[in-house]
Amino acid sequence: QQQVKQSPQSLIVQKGGISIINCAYENTAFDYFPWYQQFPGKGPALLIAIRPDVSEKKEGRFTISFNKSAKQFSLHIMDSQPGDSATYFCAARGTGTYKYIFGTGTRLKVLA
Amino acid sequence: GAGVSQTPSNKVTEKGKYVELRCDPISGHTALYWYRQSLGQGPEFLIYFQGTGAADDSGLPNDRFFAVRPEGSVSTLKIQRTERGDSAVYLCASSLRPGQGLEQYFGPGTRLTVT
Repeated sequence: QQQVKQSPQSLIVQKGGISIINCAYENTAFDYFPWYQQFPGKGPALLIAIRPDVSEKKEGRFTISFNKSAKQFSLHIMDSQPGDSATYFCAARGTGTYKYIFGTGTRLKVLA
Repeated sequence: GAGVSQTPSNKVTEKGKYVELRCDPISGHTALYWYRQSLGQGPEFLIYFQGTGAADDSGLPNDRFFAVRPEGSVSTLKIQRTERGDSAVYLCASSLRPGQGLEQYFGPGTRLTVT
């Protein structure tokens, strides 16, 4: 069964620090890798996404690093702010499908 | 503009009852998804519609779950003979036609509690 494994489960970072969340997948049948941010009581919102032909993508303070050979991708949040405190999910879309597999989530807390 | 809306926001029902959850996608979005999110977990894919037809219903857990989208806009997720294990937040998402954009826009979800 296709899976996306996410770590850590929770993360505490000081304001201004770097938050790093990692995901790994088990097969190569994925062609799109988005990251979502979810606040309590809200639906997930797309933060940034990458395709497997790119090794890195940066948007503002958010960067995705993608290692195709290792089947791993990570989210880096630079200059983390208390407002970034939320749950983050990685996801992967099955090639040729519109089916997304989500990781189990990382609860980030940024201390003021 | 208006985002994805879901009603009701909360639903409490007794075991064995039938429930309907509604999703209003963003206007013009032809793709619609249903997910189930259990506490402390990521969203779990249930079904994907392209227009009126269910293009992929492989995530529906069993035949108690059914979803429709008769006019290609509003969708209803129907759960028969509810069980306590069905308790979760049910999320709906919509996106543009495949090829025009992959971003899914999620609604706030319906929290279903089966007592």
